[in-house]
Amino acid sequence: DGGITQSPKYLFRKEGQNVTLSCEQNLNHDAMYWYRQDPGQGLRLIYYSQIVNDFQKGDIAEGYSVSREKKESFPLTVTSAQKNPTAFYLCASSMGGQGASYEQYFGPGTRLTVT
Amino acid sequence: SQKIEQNSEALNIQEGKTATLTCNYTNYSPAYLQWYRQDPGRGPVFLLLIRENEKEKRKERLKVTFDTTLKQSLFHITASQPADSATYLCALAADSWGKFQFGAGTQVVVTP
Repeated sequence: DGGITQSPKYLFRKEGQNVTLSCEQNLNHDAMYWYRQDPGQGLRLIYYSQIVNDFQKGDIAEGYSVSREKKESFPLTVTSAQKNPTAFYLCASSMGGQGASYEQYFGPGTRLTVT
Repeated sequence: SQKIEQNSEALNIQEGKTATLTCNYTNYSPAYLQWYRQDPGRGPVFLLLIRENEKEKRKERLKVTFDTTLKQSLFHITASQPADSATYLCALAADSWGKFQFGAGTQVVVTP
């Protein structure tokens, strides 16, 4: 059963703690993305990676970090420097380096609440 | 700055009618435009892709148009069904490298 998995579905953390969100895909896709979604707003790109061991900042990278050591995995760390981390986080992947030509497959999302 | 606008008001429509959604953009020259469906609490699901040199694309009951002069895309759901009720997002990319910007989405509610 191919697809993208994100875990956990719900995550609660205290302010000041770093937290890592998991994203795994078995679609053999080269490109992977992290988005953040807030109520009433569109998805905003945090980081994206077009190939293993390489990634670029998106529009709102401050306070986040990623790694891409394996093709299948693209974990996102929300650091304590992120001012407003409570949000719905979505991971996606697409074929090839020229990802705009291809559909993005999204995971089920992780809802992070920081208090 | 680049801006993507979708109607924030929900579109309420009767079953069997055609739903038409708009995606307007400013300060942007997208080469690719995609439409996604998102159900509450879930990730978006891809529906259609249209390129800047294409005027129209169809897939079953779905149709999308792309007018680069008006800076607008229209998304149509014909013969709408209650199962079509969801939020629909447009996403634009300026080049082929997959860095998309998403609109906030429009909610569609289809009543029997």
